[in-house]
Amino acid sequence: SQTIHQWPATLVQPVGSPLSLECTVEGTSNPNLYWYRQAAGRGLQLLFYSVGIGQISSEVPQNLSASRPQDRQFILSSKKLLLSDSGFYLCAWSGRGAVEQFFGPGTRLTVL
Amino acid sequence: GEDVEQSLFLSVREGDSSVINCTYTDSSSTYLYWYKQEPGAGLQLLTYIFSNMDMKQDQRLTVLLNKKDKHLSLRIADTQTGDSAIYFCASATGGYNKLIFGAGTRLAVHP
Repeated sequence: SQTIHQWPATLVQPVGSPLSLECTVEGTSNPNLYWYRQAAGRGLQLLFYSVGIGQISSEVPQNLSASRPQDRQFILSSKKLLLSDSGFYLCAWSGRGAVEQFFGPGTRLTVL
Repeated sequence: GEDVEQSLFLSVREGDSSVINCTYTDSSSTYLYWYKQEPGAGLQLLTYIFSNMDMKQDQRLTVLLNKKDKHLSLRIADTQTGDSAIYFCASATGGYNKLIFGAGTRLAVHP
């Protein structure tokens, strides 16, 4: 069966510090991968998606970037965090041509 | 841009049915989804419906879709305290299964 992992689970970072959040998927090959952000009391906003190694599409202009160095690894990064980057970051995957999209446990980021 | 809207809060008595409503704007949405989020956790896929369907039933869950009005609902029969959570409606738009989410409906189940 497939599983999706995210780490760290929680993170508190000062403004201006770098960020690296990692997501890995097990039990599947060549998945579509997604990064979403959930601001407090809000719905989820799609930040990035990837259909293959090195292929990243950005959905909204922002202070963040994403990379996919391996088939089942998706990384969310920032060089300098802003207060507005605080939120709950969720990674998700779906199979090629599949309807279902499955989410990881999320990383709660607090920027102080 | 495209949008999905939900009411923010619903309170029901244990054993009653819950109905959570959602409206969306993208008439080209292919699939519509319901996810459940418990406190501090990720999202759990509950069910989804293809845009050509009117209804889908899965155990205690019934999804109704009115494509003309772009209205989606989730009915939970015999609501239990374990159903207390935030429920998100989402539509798949464009290619690559990109999802647009509503703000979520907080369901509170009381004795």
